[in-house]
Amino acid sequence: EVRLVESGGGLLPAGGSLRLSCAASGFTFSNYWMHWVRQAPGKGLVWVSRINSDGSRTNSADSVKDRCATSRDNARNTLYLQVNSLRVEDTAVYYCVRLRSYYDRGVYFDAFDLWGQGTMVTVSS
Amino acid sequence: SSELTQDPAVSVALGQTVTITCQGDSLRTYYASWYQQKPGQAPVLVIFGKSHRPSGIPDRFSGSSSGTTASLTITGAQAEDEADYFCNSQDSSANHVLFGGGTKLTVL
Repeated sequence: EVRLVESGGGLLPAGGSLRLSCAASGFTFSNYWMHWVRQAPGKGLVWVSRINSDGSRTNSADSVKDRCATSRDNARNTLYLQVNSLRVEDTAVYYCVRLRSYYDRGVYFDAFDLWGQGTMVTVSS
Repeated sequence: SSELTQDPAVSVALGQTVTITCQGDSLRTYYASWYQQKPGQAPVLVIFGKSHRPSGIPDRFSGSSSGTTASLTITGAQAEDEADYFCNSQDSSANHVLFGGGTKLTVL
């Protein structure tokens, strides 16, 4: 079965750190760019970060840019997100997401075709 | 701008047609994708590219785009289509990813 399973969430203190993991199965993990997307309670989806297929390039949102590191271990089919100096506003469900690329009639495009179930991170003040 | 804008809420009568829109400068360059999210569940991709549907998505879902506006249309809305819908694309620089604020669809 093709799936993504996040872990590592929980209740954390402000100023602390989190390290989330995402275990991929059922597909060739090393072929895909991977992303983290979060959703605060009752709010919309917010992109957090991405990493290319071999792990050599990452980007992150301005809201976490200086505090986060995204990495992957293709031998273990696992994606990671570390966020330091946690803030109350980092409270959210964090989703691990696969980006699939397509080519149709001369045009490239992509979409988030596979989402994990999410892991809840609560940052307390 | 580096934003995608959606109406917060839309309603439709059962069996009727509804269109949800997403506006942003990046949509001149990049296709929008659309995601459906029901309470307590992860988002699900419903439309990508020009108007492609993943396997398992009913053909009542379709997409279109013109200029800086992308649209998701549900033709013959069903009760099970009641959900939040989010659009997404890359930003114009291709360095970041954008999501719209989401549209809550109510099926009356």
